[in-house]
Parts: sequence; structure tokens; C-alpha cells
Amino acid sequence: GQNIDQPTEMTATEGAIVQINCTYQTSGFNGLFWYQQHAGEAPTFLSYNVLDGLEEKGRFSSFLSRSKGYSYLLLKELQMKDSASYLCAVTAGNKLTFGGGTRVLVKP
Amino acid sequence: DSGVTQTPKHLITATGQRVTLRCSPRSGDLSVYWYQQSLDQGLQFLIQYYNGEERAKGNILERFSAQQFPDLHSELNLSSLELGDSALYFCASSGFGYAGNTIYFGEGSWLTVV
Repeated sequence: GQNIDQPTEMTATEGAIVQINCTYQTSGFNGLFWYQQHAGEAPTFLSYNVLDGLEEKGRFSSFLSRSKGYSYLLLKELQMKDSASYLCAVTAGNKLTFGGGTRVLVKP
Repeated sequence: DSGVTQTPKHLITATGQRVTLRCSPRSGDLSVYWYQQSLDQGLQFLIQYYNGEERAKGNILERFSAQQFPDLHSELNLSSLELGDSALYFCASSGFGYAGNTIYFGEGSWLTVV
């Protein structure tokens, strides 16, 4: 099976940086997704990492270390609209399994 | 708009009843996934279909079943409903059904069992 861990909740200030960590244990790892989900809405795609290293996309960056079973999502220049849940998801074989999500609250 | 369409958006039904949730994937996507999300809970994978065939199964109850039709739309059938089945049910689709293809989610179907 797959085991994915991420913090339940984080709070940060507008304009600051927040790093959301995700650790996973799985066999047959293919890649790791990050999704953003506002309450009651559909998850929306943020990033996909297959190889080790950092992928930068505007204010959001995602890092992967396959040997450590570790990823993080970095959110820079936080805006109030970034308040949402951030879901780490691992693909292995034909399955995509989500972590419980990290609720990020951005305060003024 | 992700291109994945789910109906109905909201549904209220009584315990013991049966409902069908419908999903049309993005144009050209062969793979359909169903997820359940209870209040303040994570996304629980239910089942995946690829081009009409069941591809992977998650924590789907025996009271639940799904299928994917030749036109690639999918239906999730929930029967003998219980209060605990109240949740947001998401359908998602991707191109080929294996890792490396971004999965796009529909807006979800809110099911309330009373």
C-alpha cells in the first residue's frame, strides 16, 4: 500500500513564504502531484514531479527526493487567495493516492 | 473549467435509497477516476476505469458500483445509502490512465443522505 504524510494545518502571513512537506512510502513510485483545493471545490493541478530536484512555476515551486521519499511545495509571496488545502498525491502503478491535505491559512 | 462534467451537482436522498452519479470526462481522456471526500476529510480513491475496463480499485464499498460506457462517460451507483455516505463525490479524468498524465477533476456531486 501507500502511506502519505503531510502536516494537517499551517498558518502564514501575507507576503511570506510557506513550505509544505510531504513524505511518502510506496512501491513502484511513478511521480508526485501537488493539488490545491479550496473548500467545497474541485482540486486543481499545481505541479508534477517525476525526477529529483526543484520545479519552479511562478510563485509555486515543488521539490522531490525519490531516495528520501520526500517532497515539498513552496509558496512564495503569499496572497490571501492562497488560503486553501494543498494535497500531495503519489502515483504508483495504476493508482493515484492522496495525502490528507495541508490546510494553509494566510493571515493579513 | 477542467472539462470534466459531473451531474447532479447536489442531491438529497433518504437512507436506504439508491442514487446514480454521472461523469463525462474531458474530450479524448480514456481514464476515469472516482473519489469520495467526506467533510473535512481527504480524498479517498474509490475506483478507476480505463477505456471501459476496471483498472484499479480502492476503498469502494460493496454497496457501491461503477461502470464506464463505450462513449467513455461513467456512472457511480450508490445503493442502500447510509448517513455516513454523505460526501462530495469527485470524478476525474486523464489521458491514458497511468502516471505522468495530469488528472483533472470535475466540480463534484454533493450527496446528502438524511
